[in-house]
Amino acid sequence: AQTVTQSQPEMSVQEAETVTLSCTYDTSESNYYLFWYKQPPSRQMILVIRQEAYKQQNATENRFSVNFQKAAKSFSLKISDSQLGDTAMYFCASILFGNEKLTFGTGTRLTIIP
Amino acid sequence: EAGVAQSPRYKIIEKRQSVAFWCNPISGHATLYWYQQILGQGPKLLIQFQNNGVVDDSQLPKDRFSAERLKGVDSTLKIQPAKLEDSAVYLCASSYLAISAENEQFFGPGTRLTVL
Repeated sequence: AQTVTQSQPEMSVQEAETVTLSCTYDTSESNYYLFWYKQPPSRQMILVIRQEAYKQQNATENRFSVNFQKAAKSFSLKISDSQLGDTAMYFCASILFGNEKLTFGTGTRLTIIP
Repeated sequence: EAGVAQSPRYKIIEKRQSVAFWCNPISGHATLYWYQQILGQGPKLLIQFQNNGVVDDSQLPKDRFSAERLKGVDSTLKIQPAKLEDSAVYLCASSYLAISAENEQFFGPGTRLTVL
């Protein structure tokens, strides 16, 4: 079984600052994927970034990057130069290789303050 | 490319009534998922289809929930009879293939159900 834990229910940061969202997970498997999804208010969920567990290099997508610590089972998301459009719920999720079942955390509500 | 479509966007019913949700996945996507997202929680998978066959429905409350995907395209999720605890957002998602976990799931806007 997989579990995903997000310990920060809410966060806020000034526009243009950097913010880091935390996520820990638990699995006994060695092959899996980790994701960060963004769910803006009243809009659909979209994929922000993905990390394959077998890759040591941290994934980056423009202003979004992850800090993947496999031994610690930690997967944090860093948003640089935050923008007002980054205001959303952010969900950390995992999926086992060969199993298409996404397991989500409880989410972090991020507010970017003008 | 059109995204995942869902209807209705909002539904209010009284307990013990029935309700149905509709989903149209992205064209060509073989895999379709229904999730339940209760306020303050992350989405939870209810059922997964591969074409028109069920892959995983282990978390679907089968005494009141049912789902079908006729012809491997559109899908409907039904609740009969509804309970107060069914109040949630019901999300539909689709992906091109389910063979590999790296296939991205694309989500629809969801249907917000309120049971009074």
